[in-house]
Amino acid sequence: KNEVEQSPQNLTAQEGEFITINCSYSVGISALHWLQQHPGGGIVSLFMLSSGKKKHGRLIATINIQEKHSSLHITASHPRDSAVYICAAPPLYSGGGADGLTFGKGTHLIIQP
Amino acid sequence: NAGVTQTPKFRVLKTGQSMTLLCAQDMNHEYMYWYRQDPGMGLRLIHYSVGEGTTAKGEVPDGYNVSRLKKQNFLLGLESAAPSQTSVYFCASSYRSAEYNEQFFGPGTRLTVL
Repeated sequence: KNEVEQSPQNLTAQEGEFITINCSYSVGISALHWLQQHPGGGIVSLFMLSSGKKKHGRLIATINIQEKHSSLHITASHPRDSAVYICAAPPLYSGGGADGLTFGKGTHLIIQP
Repeated sequence: NAGVTQTPKFRVLKTGQSMTLLCAQDMNHEYMYWYRQDPGMGLRLIHYSVGEGTTAKGEVPDGYNVSRLKKQNFLLGLESAAPSQTSVYFCASSYRSAEYNEQFFGPGTRLTVL
């Protein structure tokens, strides 16, 4: 089972600040997922990445497969970015019969105006 | 295109009662999953299905049963509910394995067992 650790658990920042959320995992994987859980509870997928960097709007995700570490960055943060950000890892070998995701506990982000 | 829907949204049960949670997806996805979310813990996989007629156990399967009789539906059953099953339940689906495919989540079902 992959152990997924996130830091920080809670983060409060001012509008406009650059935000970094970190994720580390114990077992090598092919790809890592980043998800966002809205205050109302809904969960949406933000990124799935296996190498390098991906960008979507003000969100940037990076991954270092060798170091088993990924980061999610938010540039020019805004109060609407307030949410829980979750990283998740799949089993190492889906062909081995296991599937689904192992989730970190999430980072609760609050952006104050 | 409704995506992934869950029924019901809220439910209160007494200990020992049974119920079924329904998950439906209209994206023709092969894989479907049931997760539970508890305070202070990450989402945990209960059961999953890699196709119609197949099911498999996840990390926390005890006390739950599942069925995937139709490709678009994945049912989660609690035969005899216990207070430890108070949680928010999320269904998700993906085209293929979570290893390479984005997961799409339903809105969740908040279950309280008294």
